[in-house]
Amino acid sequence: GQNIDQPTEMTATEGAIVQINCTYQTSGFNGLFWYQQHAGEAPTFLSYNVLDGLEEKGRFSSFLSRSKGYSYLLLKELQMKDSASYLCAVRRFAGNNRKLIWGLGTSLAVNP
Amino acid sequence: DTAVSQTPKYLVTQMGNDKSIKCEQNLGHDTMYWYKQDSKKFLKIMFSYNNKELIINETVPNRFSPKSPDKAHLNLHINSLELGDSAVYFCASTAGRPGGELFFGEGSRLTVL
Repeated sequence: GQNIDQPTEMTATEGAIVQINCTYQTSGFNGLFWYQQHAGEAPTFLSYNVLDGLEEKGRFSSFLSRSKGYSYLLLKELQMKDSASYLCAVRRFAGNNRKLIWGLGTSLAVNP
Repeated sequence: DTAVSQTPKYLVTQMGNDKSIKCEQNLGHDTMYWYKQDSKKFLKIMFSYNNKELIINETVPNRFSPKSPDKAHLNLHINSLELGDSAVYFCASTAGRPGGELFFGEGSRLTVL
């Protein structure tokens, strides 16, 4: 079956670095997404990985290892506004369609 | 200009009523979705349309009926509302290319009393 695991909650300090892990088990893997969702708002796209390695985008980086079924999102120079839920989502082929399977999200609290 | 817009943002109604949520995207995307996010924050796909054709229909009660009059619009009608239908419903769209991300609407918070 399909399964995505990520920690439920994390806490970090302003200015620090935090790594949010995501492990997955799925067939027909077709890419992994990270989304950010602030309370009461819609998810917004952060990153996409389909090949192994690190993708860097400003303060945010995302890593993928397909053989290990593992990804992480790295947030540097944390700011208070980074307090949000971070959702890992795996895209898989299902018949003729591509479907996104979502994790439950990691709620990150950034403290001063 | 809002890329994906859905109305209404808030909906409070009684059990047993019928309600609709509308969604429109001006991104030129071919694929649109309805997601349900419950109190535990789990995003569950309900339906997906590609060019007005239903391509994903998850295990959703048949009280929920999507309708796509054209590829820029995807509406959701819910009959005989139940308490468990209370959630935030998100509309989303994507261009459908392999790395194409989802663009979400602001969400419609439905409360069934």
